[in-house]
Amino acid sequence: GAVVSQHPSWVICKSGTSVKIECRSLDFQATTMFWYRQFPKQSLMLMATSNEGSKATYEQGVEKDKFLINHASLTLSTLTVTSAHPEDSSFYICSARQLAGGPGYNEQFFGPGTRLTVL
Amino acid sequence: QKEVEQDPGPLSVPEGAIVSLNCTYSNSAFQYFMWYRQYSRKGPELLMYTYSSGNKEDGRFTAQVDKSSKYISLFIRDSQPSDSATYLCAMSRSGGYQKVTFGTGTKLQVIP
Repeated sequence: GAVVSQHPSWVICKSGTSVKIECRSLDFQATTMFWYRQFPKQSLMLMATSNEGSKATYEQGVEKDKFLINHASLTLSTLTVTSAHPEDSSFYICSARQLAGGPGYNEQFFGPGTRLTVL
Repeated sequence: QKEVEQDPGPLSVPEGAIVSLNCTYSNSAFQYFMWYRQYSRKGPELLMYTYSSGNKEDGRFTAQVDKSSKYISLFIRDSQPSDSATYLCAMSRSGGYQKVTFGTGTKLQVIP
């Protein structure tokens, strides 16, 4: 299957600082990338959807000025958590989708996740 | 009420047992039904997907969808310790750009 990487896999930062997380599709072009947040024992919650070259679409309740998403190329999307606070500590997972022609399910390929801890 | 409900478990079974994992949902517009497996501190990986109602089999895994009851299941035959993971059901209204809604996941432990 297609491979999606994330960097870093684990980051600790001080409250008030900003953290950037990268998501790359390694062997395919991702027309759409998704950013999820997962708290312990909870489901993946979609934060935003981004299409290459356009602004991200944020889910209700997600602050777009706090979680900056850039999808500058077909293989790279970044999520920047600005002015991070302890309540932002979570597991952040990206996924990428290549829209294939025709009907059927267009699989999302998930990255390994980034664990963010804000002190 | 959540759109997708899934028993979080944990579920412990002996090796070789048949495992049944289930989800219920409330949105009748869902058409695609997926099962993902997630190992600890890793991203989910797609096991299988089903379109609309019916059964689908892939090796030891069988997915069932009953849209009339808004109920989906994943069966694992001859369970192995390597099957120990969290299993998430997921659903979407279409296969294209539509948002995917996930269940909370069921943690499965297969004991040797």
